[in-house]
Amino acid sequence: KAGVTQTPRYLIKTRGQQVTLSCSPISGHRSVSWYQQTPGQGLQFLFEYFSETQRNKGNFPGRFSGRQFSNSRSEMNVSTLELGDSALYLCASSIGQGVYEQYFGPGTRLTVT
Amino acid sequence: AQSVAQPEDQVNVAEGNPLTVKCTYSVSGNPYLFWYVQYPNRGLQFLLKYITGDNLVKGSYGFEAEFNKSQTSFHLKKPSALVSDSALYFCAVRDPNTGGFKTIFGAGTRLFVKA
Repeated sequence: KAGVTQTPRYLIKTRGQQVTLSCSPISGHRSVSWYQQTPGQGLQFLFEYFSETQRNKGNFPGRFSGRQFSNSRSEMNVSTLELGDSALYLCASSIGQGVYEQYFGPGTRLTVT
Repeated sequence: AQSVAQPEDQVNVAEGNPLTVKCTYSVSGNPYLFWYVQYPNRGLQFLLKYITGDNLVKGSYGFEAEFNKSQTSFHLKKPSALVSDSALYFCAVRDPNTGGFKTIFGAGTRLFVKA
């Protein structure tokens, strides 16, 4: 079974621009979560989608948004990029919510200049 | 609010010795607890989880963890460390009583196993 894939793997953007990151979960997985990983803040939860609905949201500004499609693929969007948005963005999928472990993709490394 | 703490930034152990990576949590109800490992230049991998039942859970690569409700801890252990165990370890918690399943991760503990 193919793992979680994320595209692109690397991105360089300038302040003020917007970016869209994509995540394809493991086949059959219906829950997709997004995390921001930085050396200073560690792994911070962004949001979780299940059956095309956002079920949970972390403490991030409204510039961070996401969606999930009917095939469970997910995208996250960051508008008006700031230097502090530079991070590794990780996507994780699981069969369902609650008791199920998550399977992580390799991440998208975003650099904002 | 749910939270998880990994009190040690780094743990050093000699190969062949037992290792422990500590984790404590705070949730309002009975938690779901997880351990993940991140090897250099690789994504996070699931190691093991505690949902309910036996307090000692076994996972991948010979790792195990003990759930202690009174001490609100979920320490990761391995009887004999390998150099290849050197990685970044994350403890994570979910509170099923919050109406959602937001996963909160600890700050991570870097494990160095010396040959």
